[in-house]
Amino acid sequence: DADVTQTPRNRITKTGKRIMLECSQTKGHDRMYWYRQDPGLGLRLIYYSFDVKDINKGEISDGYSVSRQAQAKFSLSLESAIPNQTALYFCATSDAGTGVHEQFFGPGTRLTVL
Amino acid sequence: AQRVTQPEKLLSVFKGAPVELKCNYSYSGSPELFWYVQYSRQRLQLLLRHISRESIKGFTADLNKGETSFHLKKPFAQEEDSAMYYCALSPLSGGYQKVTFGTGTKLQVIP
Repeated sequence: DADVTQTPRNRITKTGKRIMLECSQTKGHDRMYWYRQDPGLGLRLIYYSFDVKDINKGEISDGYSVSRQAQAKFSLSLESAIPNQTALYFCATSDAGTGVHEQFFGPGTRLTVL
Repeated sequence: AQRVTQPEKLLSVFKGAPVELKCNYSYSGSPELFWYVQYSRQRLQLLLRHISRESIKGFTADLNKGETSFHLKKPFAQEEDSAMYYCALSPLSGGYQKVTFGTGTKLQVIP
């Protein structure tokens, strides 16, 4: 689904570096999410946002921050990357107005922290 | 609290054999259950929702409230079914409908 895009798709960085992952959507959805995927751990929620003025921590927010620059954009930052943040990161959106709780995912960003 | 358990990390079946991917949940209210699929090098996408009671790509899943389960089934596995499958739960009503995902089951269909 090209309506949710993530940049970059792959990133290799070093410990201590600041990294920003970006997510954009053209679906017009008000809710956006950041997850990380690790083998054996599934998908874990990092942060979520209901609208531009609403940001909430998920279950594993430590070491991460987010910015909702517009309804269509939701960025995830790692202020000082560490190796155990090596993972596949997914952005997702959902539409609160329909009453349907389906989430639409981006293609993922593979982040490696050396 | 809501919780989703997928007991199998890997399920290997032969082509043409029946498939059952297990999902159990814990939630005190009325849940909405989903199955998401992630094919190799592709993004997660919704496979089916219990509310719609659909059959997608030959897969079905029935919500069993007594056993708190939402197992995914297909009578005859195909090679193209090989993928990662995630069960997910969301409260059916109320404020923020947080979606909780299970840890996923990798389905491997052997030719």
